[in-house]
This record gives sequence, structure tokens and C-alpha cells, in this order.
Amino acid sequence: SQQGEEDPQALSIQEGENATMNCSYKTSINNLQWYRQNSGRGLVHLILIRSNEREKHSGRLRVTLDTSKKSSSLLITASRAADTASYFCVESGGSNYKLTFGKGTLLTVNP
Amino acid sequence: GAGVSQSPRYKVAKRGQDVALRCDPISGHVSLFWYQQALGQGPEFLTYFQNEAQLDKSGLPSDRFFAERPEGSVSTLKIQRTQQEDSAVYLCASTGQGVSADTQYFGPGTRLTVL
Repeated sequence: SQQGEEDPQALSIQEGENATMNCSYKTSINNLQWYRQNSGRGLVHLILIRSNEREKHSGRLRVTLDTSKKSSSLLITASRAADTASYFCVESGGSNYKLTFGKGTLLTVNP
Repeated sequence: GAGVSQSPRYKVAKRGQDVALRCDPISGHVSLFWYQQALGQGPEFLTYFQNEAQLDKSGLPSDRFFAERPEGSVSTLKIQRTQQEDSAVYLCASTGQGVSADTQYFGPGTRLTVL
């Protein structure tokens, strides 16, 4: 797996607002995944988008993938204080089994 | 079990002591991974097992680190002669097979503090 680079490094918003995080990668991918990490629930897989998909939804999450730009975005709608966490994008699939994480985006949702 | 479990959750060791960290993967998961996460950083890969075979240990930082999974289920990460730079959260993850192998399920981690 290759390392995704998340942007911004930190994001602070008010509850109810939407949060958008971006990720860029450097090589061809099979899949791209987003993980979330907070002190309460640890590191949790959120969503996986395959290289032949452009957009995927899961609840309040929307992930887009642009393979021509080697970028992905994660949108969280109607944010809640419980969404406060670090978010990581990780390229995966194929013969690469290990995940390589970047530093992530630290999202703070203020009540 | 319902998820990956790790024990202990917290470990304080004096420099030079040996420690052993345990991981119980999700029942039936073939693959097991160990990661090290320093404060403010993302997790970094340490080693990978498929059943009892350790197929990749390229991420282990030194020969003081040793991992095993003798029966293909529970795994133990051992750190000998701990140093302060070993202070980190150690995460274990497991995956299923086939298309579900891309998603890794992480345990809560063991926070190791070396004094």
C-alpha cells in the first residue's frame, strides 16, 4: 500500500456544519479506504471505494474518487460532536496487504 | 469474539524490562497485523501473519521486537530490553479472506509507556 496525504491537517467546525477532507496519492490504486480514529472507539474502518467507482455513500459520509487526479475526498454532512476524530485515507488492494497511513486530518466538531 | 481484543490496555515498563502484548483477532480471521503508533502520527506497520506463518516482519524496528502466532489465532508481540523510544500505542488488526481482506479490523491498542 502507498501512503495517502490528507489535507487539511486540522479542521475545526461547528456542530451541524459539513466537513470535507481531501487525500492525494501517488500511484495507481485498487481501492481507497478511509479510517477514523478517536479515543472512544479506536481506529475504525469507515468506507472503501474501488478504483472503478467515482462516488460512494454511507449514512452521512460521502466519498469521491478521481483517479485522473489521484485524489479522494471525504464529506461528512451535518456533523456531530461525536465525529471529532482523526481521519486517514489509505490505498489498498492487490498484492499489497499492509496499510500505510499518513498523519491524517484532525477534525474537531464544536458543540 | 465480536471484535479484536488486546491486553493489557495500558502498560508501564521501566527501561530495560521485557514486555509482552497480546492480541486476540476476530474468530476465523486468517491475517493478523501489528502496527505501532507514536503520538501525533498515523499507525506504522510492524509485522504480518497469515495463520501461524509470519510472512512479513520488515517493519519491526530492531531485533528487540519479536512477534509470534503459534496456533494461528492469538498473537503476542514481545519487546525485549525496552527503551524510551518504544513508548507508543501498539495496534493489532485482523482481516477475513477474499474481498473482505481489504478491510482491517483494529483492536483498541495497548499504550506502552517506558520510563
